[in-house]
Amino acid sequence: GQNIDQPTEMTATEGAIVQINCTYQTSGFNGLFWYQQHAGEAPTFLSYNVLDGLEEKGRFSSFLSRSKGYSYLLLKELQMKDSASYLCAVMDSNYQLIWGAGTKLIIKP
Amino acid sequence: GAVVSQHPSWVICKSGTSVKIECRSLDFQATTMFWYRQFPKQSLMLMATSNEGSKATYEQGVEKDKFLINHASLTLSTLTVTSAHPEDSSFYICSARTSEYEQYFGPGTRLTVT
Repeated sequence: GQNIDQPTEMTATEGAIVQINCTYQTSGFNGLFWYQQHAGEAPTFLSYNVLDGLEEKGRFSSFLSRSKGYSYLLLKELQMKDSASYLCAVMDSNYQLIWGAGTKLIIKP
Repeated sequence: GAVVSQHPSWVICKSGTSVKIECRSLDFQATTMFWYRQFPKQSLMLMATSNEGSKATYEQGVEKDKFLINHASLTLSTLTVTSAHPEDSSFYICSARTSEYEQYFGPGTRLTVT
């Protein structure tokens, strides 16, 4: 079956760095997405990785290792507004998104 | 980026009534739209894939006669929850695909059935 695993909840301090991990087992792979979702709102796109390596975009970076079925989202210089759920999603061989349950990130001052 | 709108943003209805939710792509044409449902503290659950001009493809366990989907144009898909019950109360989100790898989400519709 298809499976996406990510931690349920993480806590970090304002100004610090946090890494949210995601492991996956899917039928085929056409890329991995990270989305941010604030409570009561729809997800917003953060990143897309299809090749191995690190993609940096401002304070956010995303890493992918296809051989390990592993990705992480790295958030630097954390701000209170970064408190949200972070969803990992993998696009399978049918170009359908398989969603993880999301990681709730709590930022403390 | 591409903009997707949903209407209404929230709705309260009585048990047994039907509710229609609209999803529009505002600045692009979307041949494929997706409907998701999200219960509190849970991830998105894909309900169905809506293709313009053809019948929607429903995920396993989703009743197609209860959740009617119509994708009549390249910019509009509608989801009608028929004979709504309190257990249908949820956050319904649509998304529209601009390419194989790009998908934009609407703001969501919160449905409460009393």
